[in-house]
Amino acid sequence: QVQLVQSGPEMRKPGASVKVSCKASGYTFTSGTIHWVRQAPGQSLEWLGWINTYNNNIKYSQKIQDRITIIRDTSASTAYMELNSLRSEDTAVYYCAREDILTGHAFDYWGQGTLVTVSS
Amino acid sequence: DIQMTQSPSTLSASVGDRVTITCRASQSISNWVAWYQQKPGKAPKLLIYKASSLQSGVPSRFSGSGSGTEFTLTISSLQPDDFATYYCQQYNVLYTFGQGTKLEI
Repeated sequence: QVQLVQSGPEMRKPGASVKVSCKASGYTFTSGTIHWVRQAPGQSLEWLGWINTYNNNIKYSQKIQDRITIIRDTSASTAYMELNSLRSEDTAVYYCAREDILTGHAFDYWGQGTLVTVSS
Repeated sequence: DIQMTQSPSTLSASVGDRVTITCRASQSISNWVAWYQQKPGKAPKLLIYKASSLQSGVPSRFSGSGSGTEFTLTISSLQPDDFATYYCQQYNVLYTFGQGTKLEI
């Protein structure tokens, strides 16, 4: 069965960086696109960016594009999201999600989420 | 950016009720809309894609409709497990989520 398993919670000080991993299993990793979405406490969902795991194309949200990097390691079936120059407003649960052509490019599987807390 | 305006923000209902949640896009997005259910502390779960297609394994009491700028999610007969928060998402131009509808007893 398809699974996306994310790394554990992180706590950082303002100005630091954080890197979250998303390990895929149960399907061919290079057949889909992985997205990153975050959810601040009590808020809605915010799309951050995607990576095409086949050709390594990437696209970032304009709001965060100067601070985010998304990469993938096909040998490990893992995608990574790194966020730099952290601020308190980056405190959120970060999710990875798979986009699948069979569901019309909606996000059919999600990781369990990684809580990133930014506090001095 | 395409905005998704979701209403209502909170909906009180009872088991067995029929409920409808609406999402309005700031510009036409054809049928590139998905609906997700989220329970506290859990990741969102895909219910509906391409405005009206039911995701595999999702009960048939969930249905979606609409095209262009107006979209609806309907639950025909509420079950106890349905009390959660629901989000619409457009994926015509990048990706935007609605503000969510909390469905409570």
